[in-house]
Amino acid sequence: DIQMTQAPSSLSASIGDRVTITCRASESIRRYLHWYQQRPGKAPKLLMYAASSLQSGVPSRFSGSGSGTDFTLTISDLQPEDFATYYCQQSYTAPRTFGQGTKVEIK
Amino acid sequence: QVQLVESGGGVVQLGRSLRLSCVASGFTFSNYGMHWVRQAPGKGLEWVAGISSDGRDENYRDSVKGRFTISRDNFQNTLYLQMNSLRAEDTAIYYCTKDPYYGSGFYYYFDSWGQGTLVTVSS
Repeated sequence: DIQMTQAPSSLSASIGDRVTITCRASESIRRYLHWYQQRPGKAPKLLMYAASSLQSGVPSRFSGSGSGTDFTLTISDLQPEDFATYYCQQSYTAPRTFGQGTKVEIK
Repeated sequence: QVQLVESGGGVVQLGRSLRLSCVASGFTFSNYGMHWVRQAPGKGLEWVAGISSDGRDENYRDSVKGRFTISRDNFQNTLYLQMNSLRAEDTAIYYCTKDPYYGSGFYYYFDSWGQGTLVTVSS
């Protein structure tokens, strides 16, 4: 199975900050990498697909980059509704696997 | 807008069975693959099973193969997950999710999610 490792596991940030989360795959997944946001007690929500494509309706302060094994999700100008847990997921090969999550908390 | 509503969760004893349902609306259900994704309490996400738009192609993670069966009724716009021989490690919230691929294939990511239904396997 491809292992997806996110860093950091958690972080504290303030409103207006720029936040970067990384996701590393144990082998190349080309650009088959997607990001989700999960607010407490809610279902996950797709933010980005194919590494850098913004899902419809998602604010443009979210951006993604990377290919191969190393990927990043950046949130510029952090807003109160962005405090959540973020997961990356690879769809390159079976079984499709998720990272362990990065919790973004209020400083 | 897309709506996915799961039901059928609950407390079940080790080794018993449970069937989850997911009613879809807001899109043409028969044109999209569907998946179940689960999340153990306080843990991360895990893909469980997927089914093609026409129901001909099913796939499963290894730990549920032979125990779980995914199916769909395109007339009733409903996705199912039959879970047999349940284990403690199957305890999780089960989410019904939609694949964005239009047609009989898969992209294997999830552009819409239901609210989830909790399955608790007890001894």
